[in-house]
Amino acid sequence: DIQMTQSPSAMSASVGDRVTITCRASQGISNYLAWFQQKPGKVPKRLIYAASSLQSGVPSRFSGSGSGTEFTLTISSLQPEDFATYYCLQHNSYPRTFGQGTKLEIK
Amino acid sequence: EVQLLESGGGLVQPGGSLRLSCAASGFTFSSYAMSWVRQAPGKGLEWVSAISGSGGSTYYADSVKGRFTISRDNSKNTLYLQMNSLRAEDTAVYYCAKDQGIAARLAEYFQHWGQGTLVTVSS
Repeated sequence: DIQMTQSPSAMSASVGDRVTITCRASQGISNYLAWFQQKPGKVPKRLIYAASSLQSGVPSRFSGSGSGTEFTLTISSLQPEDFATYYCLQHNSYPRTFGQGTKLEIK
Repeated sequence: EVQLLESGGGLVQPGGSLRLSCAASGFTFSSYAMSWVRQAPGKGLEWVSAISGSGGSTYYADSVKGRFTISRDNSKNTLYLQMNSLRAEDTAVYYCAKDQGIAARLAEYFQHWGQGTLVTVSS
């Protein structure tokens, strides 16, 4: 099974900050990786697919990069609505696996 | 418009059973694998199970293998999750999600999710 190690598990940042979240796969997954944002009580929302493609309707301040085993989600300038929990998901093989999540809080 | 609507959640005693359903519309259901994903209260997302478009292949997380059974009825555009021998740690919101399509286009994986149904296992 492929393990996804996401870091950090939590972080504090201010509006306007640049933020980077990382996911590492235990083996190569090409670009079969997606990033999700989840707010309390809401359904996860896909932000990035294929590691670096921006979901339609998602602000361009979100970007993804990486391939193989190392992936990053970057928010270039944090906005108040971006404070949420973020997850990566590998869908290269079964079982699908999520990262542990990164809770992004206001400093 | 793709829609996924889960139902069947509720309160069940430890050791009991429950069957979840996910009614799909807005796409060719039989052309897509489907997954169940759950989230325990205050915890992260956990993939639970998946089934191929034909229903011929099924996959499970180790945490539910032997207790849960995924199935689908393509004539009814409905996905199911039969949950037996339920434990307190199965308490979660259960989501169905659209997984891999026949064409395996990366843009389609996990783009669409249902609103979730809550399962509570407690005496």
